[in-house]
Amino acid sequence: DVKVTQSSRYLVKRTGEKVFLECVQDMDHENMFWYRQDPGLGLRLIYFSYDVKMKEKGDIPEGYSVSREKKERFSLILESASTNQTSMYLCASRRTGNTEAFFGQGTRLTVV
Amino acid sequence: DQQVKQNSPSLSVQEGRISILNCDYTNSMFDYFLWYKKYPAEGPTFLISISSIKDKNEDGRFTVFLNKSAKHLSLHIVPSQPGDSAVYFCAAFLDDKIIFGKGTRLHILP
Repeated sequence: DVKVTQSSRYLVKRTGEKVFLECVQDMDHENMFWYRQDPGLGLRLIYFSYDVKMKEKGDIPEGYSVSREKKERFSLILESASTNQTSMYLCASRRTGNTEAFFGQGTRLTVV
Repeated sequence: DQQVKQNSPSLSVQEGRISILNCDYTNSMFDYFLWYKKYPAEGPTFLISISSIKDKNEDGRFTVFLNKSAKHLSLHIVPSQPGDSAVYFCAAFLDDKIIFGKGTRLHILP
């Protein structure tokens, strides 16, 4: 079974904190993605990575950075959390040449 | 500018009837289109896809139709079942990225 695992289901952080969201996949996929899901806005792409140490900005990268030091792990970093970053964060991975992406269970982040 | 549009935020359908979810897109360069299903507090799961060179793809109760001239696709679910109640996202694939619409919440009524 394919597996994308996000380190936390729920997180509560304070404004100004540096926040790390971790995602691990066990399928040896080259491509990994971070999305956020907000009511009425659907899934919006924050960043994606097509290889180790490679990254590209998505549609809403402001306030975020990413790290991909190993193929299986893709981290999303909120440099200084703000209340407008309260959201559901979803990680996904995809094998190059395939269209289907597999998602993790999501991390519900609340910034207070 | 939204490239993948789902203009109906919600849809209610009687159990056993057909559910039709619609999606429009603006970029004629999209290679593939996908539909994902999402339950609350879970990640989206892949349902069905269609290549831009085809006009129909079927998988069990799910059929996706693509009308390239109208830049429109639709997902048909027949017959609708209670477990189909979820949010459905239309998505398009281009240059290694998947771009999602805002989703349509489907309610299957008993």
